[in-house]
Amino acid sequence: GDSVTQMEGPVTLSEEAFLTINCTYTATGYPSLFWYVQYPGEGLQLLLKATKADDKGSNKGFEATYRKETTSFHLEKGSVQVSDSAVYFCALSDGGATNKLIFGTGTLLAVQP
Amino acid sequence: GAVVSQHPSRVICKSGTSVKIECRSLDFQATTMFWYRQFPKQSLMLMATSNEGSKATYEQGVEKDKFLINHASLTLSTLTVTSAHPEDSSFYICSAGYVGFHEQYFGPGTRLTVT
Repeated sequence: GDSVTQMEGPVTLSEEAFLTINCTYTATGYPSLFWYVQYPGEGLQLLLKATKADDKGSNKGFEATYRKETTSFHLEKGSVQVSDSAVYFCALSDGGATNKLIFGTGTLLAVQP
Repeated sequence: GAVVSQHPSRVICKSGTSVKIECRSLDFQATTMFWYRQFPKQSLMLMATSNEGSKATYEQGVEKDKFLINHASLTLSTLTVTSAHPEDSSFYICSAGYVGFHEQYFGPGTRLTVT
C-alpha cells in the first residue's frame, strides 16, 4: 500500500541554519503531497502542498518540490528561527473517494538561539 | 477560511465512564470527517472515516463499539469513547474535508486522560 517515509529526528539546529527534512513516498497512483506542522500543544496545520509532479509548494519561507522521478518531497528552509521549532509531518493523499491522508512518522525540529 | 474546532480541548474522566468529543467545521460543509489518535512522540493513526449521514468506516484494529462515531450533519461529527480505560488516554484529533478536494483541515485536538 501507499506509504510515507521521513527522516527520524530530532533535528537540532542553530538559528539561521539551513534546514532539510527528507521525505520519500510510495504510491501506486498520482498522489498529492503535503507538509503539516504541529507546534507544541497544538493541532496540525497545513504548511504547504503540491498536487502534481514538479510543483513547488511554499509558505513562510519553507519550500518543497514534488519529485516524481525520485518519489520525494523534501522540506527546506534557508534560515530557521526559534519559532520554527515544531514537529513536521510529511503526508500523501491518493485522492480517492475517501481522501485519506497517510502520514510519515514526524520529525521533531528544535532550533536553538 | 476552513476552520475546524474541537470540544473539549482537555478532558479528564474516570475509568469506566464515557466521553464525547465534538468536531465542528465552522465555515464549510464537511462531507467527510476523519478521527485520528496520536500517541506521545508518534505520528497520527487514522481511526475512522465518517461521511455525513452514513456509518463510519473504521481502520483495522479499531474497536467500533468502543469508539462510536456519529456524523449527523455536514458540520458536526462526534467521537464517543465508551467505558474508557487508562490505555485510552491519548490526543484525539479530527479533520474535515469535502469530496473532490485533497486537503484536510485539522482541529486543535482533544487531550483525554482516563484515571
